[in-house]
Amino acid sequence: GNSVTQMEGPVTLSEEAFLTINCTYTATGYPSLFWYVQYPGEGLQLLLKATKADDKGSNKGFEATYRKETTSFHLEKGSVQVSDSAVYFCALRNQRNTGFQKLVFGTGTRLLVSP
Amino acid sequence: EAGVAQSPRYKIIEKRQSVAFWCNPISGHATLYWYQQILGQGPKLLIQFQNNGVVDDSQLPKDRFSAERLKGVDSTLKIQPAKLEDSAVYLCASSLNRGSNEKLFFGSGTQLSVL
Repeated sequence: GNSVTQMEGPVTLSEEAFLTINCTYTATGYPSLFWYVQYPGEGLQLLLKATKADDKGSNKGFEATYRKETTSFHLEKGSVQVSDSAVYFCALRNQRNTGFQKLVFGTGTRLLVSP
Repeated sequence: EAGVAQSPRYKIIEKRQSVAFWCNPISGHATLYWYQQILGQGPKLLIQFQNNGVVDDSQLPKDRFSAERLKGVDSTLKIQPAKLEDSAVYLCASSLNRGSNEKLFFGSGTQLSVL
């Protein structure tokens, strides 16, 4: 079946530090990969996505590259800000020409950034 | 553009009681999803609607959970009777359609505590 594994949190960093949140997946076929972010008191928001191998998704200074050879989609940011403090969810959704494919989430990684 | 609206924001009930959650998706979105997010876990899809029809309810505990979307717009999710393990955040999401790369928009969720 399809599954996503994320590194456990919390990840605690100082402002301007480099961020990596690891994500690996198991899937049949060729899934699309996503990072969602949940800020305190808010709903999940799509942060970035990649739909095929070697694609790089990017948004708000965050990047993730779809690595089929290592089945990974690690989230990175060169310099985090306090406002990046949130819970980050890696997710996948398999692609098919027909039929419904559900979005499968990892367990989430909490990021805490201190000034 | 208005987002996905959910109510109530919080609900506390005793086990064996009934509870209902309401969701109003973004106008024009044909696809509506209910997710359950237990503390420390990623969201898990309970049910998906395409307009007013059910596309997937394979992970919905049908002995106690029910959901409807009668007019293809807003939706209600009901639990009757509730169990302690139902304590979770119930997230509603919507998307324009149900393609693999459709962007999901999430509401802020209803936090349910079953005592």
